[in-house]
Amino acid sequence: QVQLQESGPGLVKPSQTLSLTCNVFGVSVSSPDYYWSWIRQSPGKAPEWIAYIYFSGSTHYNPSLRSRLSIALDKTNNHFSLKMTSLTAADTAVYFCAKSKWGFQPYDSWGQGILVSVSS
Amino acid sequence: EIVMTQSPVTVSVSPGEGATLSCGASEYVGTNVAWYQQRPGRAPRLLMFHSSSRATGIPARFTGSGSGTEFTLTISNLQSEDSALYYCQQYNNWPHTFGGGTKVEIK
Repeated sequence: QVQLQESGPGLVKPSQTLSLTCNVFGVSVSSPDYYWSWIRQSPGKAPEWIAYIYFSGSTHYNPSLRSRLSIALDKTNNHFSLKMTSLTAADTAVYFCAKSKWGFQPYDSWGQGILVSVSS
Repeated sequence: EIVMTQSPVTVSVSPGEGATLSCGASEYVGTNVAWYQQRPGRAPRLLMFHSSSRATGIPARFTGSGSGTEFTLTISNLQSEDSALYYCQQYNNWPHTFGGGTKVEIK
């Protein structure tokens, strides 16, 4: 059974950098069959896709956030991570990690989400 | 980016009745549309993919249809556990985008 679990700080100060990790269980992040995404959901809003990484290291970012993002894969520890710089209150959201099969596919497994608040 | 527009914002139905949720895409997305159910405090749960295919474990009461730019999720014989937010999402183009959601309330 595939499980994803996010970890990271719950509170970050404005202008600081957010670092999140998604630990993956039940499937290898080294598999060519899947890609690994971060998705966030601001309070009362729809989900917003942030970025993905593929086993090869190939990445893709949401153009609206690209300049502040970095996503990485750790095959040894079977997890992937997200860094987002220059945080503002608008980045307050629940951050989810999610898995998709490669190709035109939906998000079939999600972590439980981690609430990140940006406040001084 | 492709904008997904859902209607209605809220639908209120009695147990056993049906509900029809609509989703429109601002550009052609083929059948690369998914529907998710989200209960409060939980992650979205995949219901439908490729417009009309049910995800594992999803009951036949949930039916998806549509292609191109117009999509529909129909829930028949509504149960109390169906009370949730429902989102459509396109995965035809990057960035993948979600609709604003429809809240299903059970009277």
